[in-house]
Amino acid sequence: NAGVTQTPKFRVLKTGQSMTLLCAQDMNHEYMYWYRQDPGMGLRLIHYSVGEGTTAKGEVPDGYNVSRLKKQNFLLGLESAAPSQTSVYFCASSYSTSEAFFGQGTRLTVV
Amino acid sequence: KNQVEQSPQSLIILEGKNCTLQCNYTVSPFSNLRWYKQDTGRGPVSLTIMTFSENTKSNGRYTATLDADTKQSSLHITASQLSDSASYICVVSAQTGANNLFFGTGTRLTVIP
Repeated sequence: NAGVTQTPKFRVLKTGQSMTLLCAQDMNHEYMYWYRQDPGMGLRLIHYSVGEGTTAKGEVPDGYNVSRLKKQNFLLGLESAAPSQTSVYFCASSYSTSEAFFGQGTRLTVV
Repeated sequence: KNQVEQSPQSLIILEGKNCTLQCNYTVSPFSNLRWYKQDTGRGPVSLTIMTFSENTKSNGRYTATLDADTKQSSLHITASQLSDSASYICVVSAQTGANNLFFGTGTRLTVIP
């Protein structure tokens, strides 16, 4: 069991570039989440999904899009990166409201 | 408004000493409360889970308490080790909705020799 795997681990983007962060889980979890973590702030929910083919907005969804075409994968897209999106991004998955398992994080810098 | 507040923001202790971290919440309806440990550069990992009926739960040198009446929890670390240096995050789950996890900002613990 790999758990929750995020790729890439690090990335530097120029303002206006686009990219996709991939999250994969092998625990057959229904729920998947994307969070961002900034200094002095708690983890903030960007988007989440309660099952294949469904997505919903979280607390800070602007500037991001997501897709859940397969149950095990949850993609986070940045269409036009901005410096304000410099952050560490964490993906998580869970069974319903049980323990959330987190990936290792993706450190994104937008210059 | 559902909120989770942790204190202190940061803490430095000597190796071998004990410490206690605090978590206050206003999440309702309450389902459970978890303490996560986040090592630098890693994702959070669950340490303990507390449900409404539980007052105390231990996981090795970690002991969590919950007072559901006052909506407070604490995480006590006994005989600290250098490897305890990490951020400790309190996460409270509400009973309803997929978007039901509420995170504290964490306490950054540094254990020095």
